[in-house]
Amino acid sequence: GEDVEQSLFLSVREGDSSVINCTYTDSSSTYLYWYKQEPGAGLQLLTYIFSNMDMKQDQRLTVLLNKKDKHLSLRIADTQTGDSAIYFCAENEGYSTLTFGKGTMLLVSP
Amino acid sequence: GAVVSQHPSRVICKSGTSVKIECRSLDFQATTMFWYRQFPKKSLMLMATSNEGSKATYEQGVEKDKFLINHASLTLSTLTVTSAHPEDSSFYICSARGSGGSANTGELFFGEGSRLTVL
Repeated sequence: GEDVEQSLFLSVREGDSSVINCTYTDSSSTYLYWYKQEPGAGLQLLTYIFSNMDMKQDQRLTVLLNKKDKHLSLRIADTQTGDSAIYFCAENEGYSTLTFGKGTMLLVSP
Repeated sequence: GAVVSQHPSRVICKSGTSVKIECRSLDFQATTMFWYRQFPKKSLMLMATSNEGSKATYEQGVEKDKFLINHASLTLSTLTVTSAHPEDSSFYICSARGSGGSANTGELFFGEGSRLTVL
């Protein structure tokens, strides 16, 4: 079945850039998403990218997609303490359900 | 963005009782809702897919008689954990897919989650 892999933990200093990486196996993935989960809360969609795109930028967020290597990354510029959360990479084929990675815990220290 | 609300956010119950969790789409009609279960430090596990007006489709290994799902309207789906046991303690999250733009992107909107603790 489909599989989505992420590193489990990332620690950065406030003001630095954070890069969270994700790999997936499903070659028919149509959309790839980044969700943010704060403690005890549901998931908030941060951004998504369509599979025919290489890059998408949205304010401090930059998503890079290497479809050949099935590699997705999320870069957060000028990381703030409020960015501390768990970040989930997910993929689907549009109307199917999402397959999630295990999440990367981002810890931002002052 | 679209809002999905879950209630209750926290519930504690005794073993053997049943608990109902509601998931509502507040500002859009959700033809499809998904129920997930999240274990500590784990990713989300899809439990079932719920389509309005029809029976839910359960994932392999999920007991449909234990986790009853009802999607009676386009804005409400409920998950009832019947005869709850301590091992059912978990964080349950619902999500909904709306119409229009979000249906085209496949984007899901998530509820805030419901923390169930079975004593």
